[in-house]
Amino acid sequence: QQQVKQSPQSLIVQKGGISIINCAYENTAFDYFPWYQQFPGKGPALLIAIRPDVSEKKEGRFTISFNKSAKQFSLHIMDSQPGDSATYFCAARRDNAGNMLTFGGGTRLMVKP
Amino acid sequence: DTEVTQTPKHLVMGMTNKKSLKCEQHMGHRAMYWYKQKAKKPPELMFVYSYEKLSINESVPSRFSPECPNSSLLNLHLHALQPEDSALYLCASSQDNLAGAQSYNEQFFGPGTRLTVL
Repeated sequence: QQQVKQSPQSLIVQKGGISIINCAYENTAFDYFPWYQQFPGKGPALLIAIRPDVSEKKEGRFTISFNKSAKQFSLHIMDSQPGDSATYFCAARRDNAGNMLTFGGGTRLMVKP
Repeated sequence: DTEVTQTPKHLVMGMTNKKSLKCEQHMGHRAMYWYKQKAKKPPELMFVYSYEKLSINESVPSRFSPECPNSSLLNLHLHALQPEDSALYLCASSQDNLAGAQSYNEQFFGPGTRLTVL
């Protein structure tokens, strides 16, 4: 059972545009929501993470928006660059399960020059 | 040093072979994880070690055998694998995996070992 649903599966954006990736969850026991970026041949790397008591968190060009009542969160990449082309995974951590992450299905982002 | 290293980078093995994957971190982390990642899929958790003890086994077949010789090293011993076990095997570590932490306990991932089972 997929507990974190991610969309879209793939996304093509022009350079300078805004990339938006959405995730939805059902389990209210999740207490942290990190986003990971993965380049081909590399392991995932943490981009940004948010707690459910915060509605928005921004780090540089990356912003997480969080809607606790709707159980949805999204990643916005402003001024998208070709170097942002990668696979993005949202994830959720269960607060009573030893730092275990449940990953969304992933979004393959391509930023065209 | 915020790096998790994994060796080898690539491994090709037959179904009757025995091989091992190695993971190392020198960040003083006390939790270490093995994940399996198939192409175009998210990482799937296999095992979690906490303070060198196996704390979580996600119903992984016994042909995969983890080992944590010390707090910096994590091994995954492979025996009698099947072609469907071909995947990218990722190791990760975090400061610990205790519940109730007030900040996100980041998992740092290694680059993975690309395993092909013939």
